[in-house]
Amino acid sequence: AQKITQTQPGMFVQEKEAVTLDCTYDTSDPSYGLFWYKQPSSGEMIFLIYQGSYDQQNATEGRYSLNFQKARKSANLVISASQLGDSAMYFCAMRASQGGSEKLVFGKGTKLTVNP
Amino acid sequence: DAGVTQSPTHLIKTRGQQVTLRCSPISGHKSVSWYQQVLGQGPQFIFQYYEKEERGRGNFPDRFSARQFPNYSSELNVNALLLGDSALYLCASSHLGWGGDEQYFGPGTRLTVT
Repeated sequence: AQKITQTQPGMFVQEKEAVTLDCTYDTSDPSYGLFWYKQPSSGEMIFLIYQGSYDQQNATEGRYSLNFQKARKSANLVISASQLGDSAMYFCAMRASQGGSEKLVFGKGTKLTVNP
Repeated sequence: DAGVTQSPTHLIKTRGQQVTLRCSPISGHKSVSWYQQVLGQGPQFIFQYYEKEERGRGNFPDRFSARQFPNYSSELNVNALLLGDSALYLCASSHLGWGGDEQYFGPGTRLTVT
């Protein structure tokens, strides 16, 4: 069974600094995908970045980058130049196949607070 | 194009009642998935529907049911509500629901059971 572990319940960062949110995963599937979502207090899950298991390079999307270390089964999110609007819950998720369907398996999340 | 829409936004129900939540996917998307997110946890998969057929089901009791209509919109029904059903219910749509399709989430419905 697939599992996502996020060990940081909360993280604090100063505005304009970089921050790393940790994510480790467990799967026996040779092909998988890893996602990071941002969830503000409004509740909507906002897609940030995706990394495929066979991608040779780490994914980047603007200020977001994914530090993918396959051998360690980790997929940490790096946010550069933090902004006050980055304060939110952040979820790491894995795409899991289940008998002809696909679902996302989520971690418990990390609450990021950006201080001015 | 409009994103995924869900209704209602908020809902308060009493234990034992039944509730129906609605979701409209992004135009052109044929797959809808439902997730339950209780306070302090990540979302958990409930159902996936594609072309009006149930394609996948998570570890939820039979009190939870869903269906998808010819226009690809979907309803999630929960019978005999329990206090533990209080959660944010998220709907996600994708083109095919398979092969690495990205899932786009709606704003969710906050259900409170008293």
